[in-house]
Amino acid sequence: KAGVTQTPRYLIKTRGQQVTLSCSPISGHRSVSWYQQTPGQGLQFLFEYFSETQRNKGNFPGRFSGRQFSNSRSEMNVSTLELGDSALYLCASSTQGPFYEQYFGPGTRLTVT
Amino acid sequence: GQSLEQPSEVTAVEGAIVQINCTYQTSGFYGLSWYQQHDGGAPTFLSYNALDGLEETGRFSSFLSRSDSYGYLLLQELQMKDSASYFCAVRAVTTDSWGKLQFGAGTQVVVTP
Repeated sequence: KAGVTQTPRYLIKTRGQQVTLSCSPISGHRSVSWYQQTPGQGLQFLFEYFSETQRNKGNFPGRFSGRQFSNSRSEMNVSTLELGDSALYLCASSTQGPFYEQYFGPGTRLTVT
Repeated sequence: GQSLEQPSEVTAVEGAIVQINCTYQTSGFYGLSWYQQHDGGAPTFLSYNALDGLEETGRFSSFLSRSDSYGYLLLQELQMKDSASYFCAVRAVTTDSWGKLQFGAGTQVVVTP
């Protein structure tokens, strides 16, 4: 079975721009969660989508949004980028949700200049 | 409030046993998860405990005591490849969704020859 894939793997953007990241979950997994990882804040939960609905969310501003398609693929969007948004963005898929067993993709390294 | 505490670093020699403790404070507890992350890699699921007791998976075991809000990850017969960061995670209740997955700051395990 193929693992979780994320595209692109690396991205450089400037402040004020917006960015869209993509995640393809493991086949059969309906739950996709997104995380931000930085050296200072560690692993932070952004949100989870299950069957095209946002089911759980963390404490991030409205500039961070996402969606899930009928094939379970998910996208995450960040608008009006700030320097502090530079991070590794990880997505993870699971059958039941983020509070149980989940499988992470390799991540997208976003650098905001 | 909601919090997770785990030691920042543990050093041990090959073949030794290491125990990583995790104490948590959260409402709406679902279970305690453990993840391993090597430098430059994505987190990998290790274990999930929903009920009290010890779960064993090969050289790794995880324990949970819900009454003490405490768990630990036990790494036996340490190998050099076990050098990594280890995170505990629990569900934390939020005001506007079913919840979020909250991670501890991570424990860096350093295995020496």
